[in-house]
Amino acid sequence: QKEVEQNSGPLSVPEGAIASLNCTYSDRGSQSFFWYRQYSGKSPELIMSIYSNGDKEDGRFTAQLNKASQYVSLLIRDSQPSDSATYLCAGGNYGQNFVFGPGTRLSVLP
Amino acid sequence: NAGVTQTPKFQVLKTGQSMTLQCAQDMNHNSMYWYRQDPGMGLRLIYYSASEGTTDKGEVPNGYNVSRLNKREFSLRLESAAPSQTSVYFCASSVGEIGNQPQHFGDGTRLSIL
Repeated sequence: QKEVEQNSGPLSVPEGAIASLNCTYSDRGSQSFFWYRQYSGKSPELIMSIYSNGDKEDGRFTAQLNKASQYVSLLIRDSQPSDSATYLCAGGNYGQNFVFGPGTRLSVLP
Repeated sequence: NAGVTQTPKFQVLKTGQSMTLQCAQDMNHNSMYWYRQDPGMGLRLIYYSASEGTTDKGEVPNGYNVSRLNKREFSLRLESAAPSQTSVYFCASSVGEIGNQPQHFGDGTRLSIL
């Protein structure tokens, strides 16, 4: 059974701080990883895709991938109250469906 | 740019009734998916279609059927609704081969079975 695990939270950070969201996966064959943001009552929205080991930055967001440790993380710099949402991690491989984690609820406190 | 459009947005059914959830994408994507999302359970794949003319079961297919009508449209049918099927249903699509490209989600259908 392929699994993606995330701490369900809630993770609370003060406004302006760095939020660090973590995800581990069980399938060593997974090659593609995605972070989605989901506001309450809304649909998942893609934030980042990462395919190679190392860091990938996009604005205030940085995704980090370590395939040897089977670990993916998302850093949100200068966190804002509007970043308060549930963050879903997903892993996939060519020809195989995504496995989504249960999500981590982030609360950014003003 | 509509992306992935789902209809209806809300629906209440009685146990035993049937209904079809509609999904259409205008991004010329090859692959389409149906998920359900329940509190504490995350997103679970019901069925998917890797290309026009093909469909396959996901993690939780029992009680559902799908039709890939053409490249744009992928419908989900509940033949005899049960209270356990009360959930939020999301349709998604992706370009190219499954598993390697990000999926883009519709706004969801909130379905209650009484």
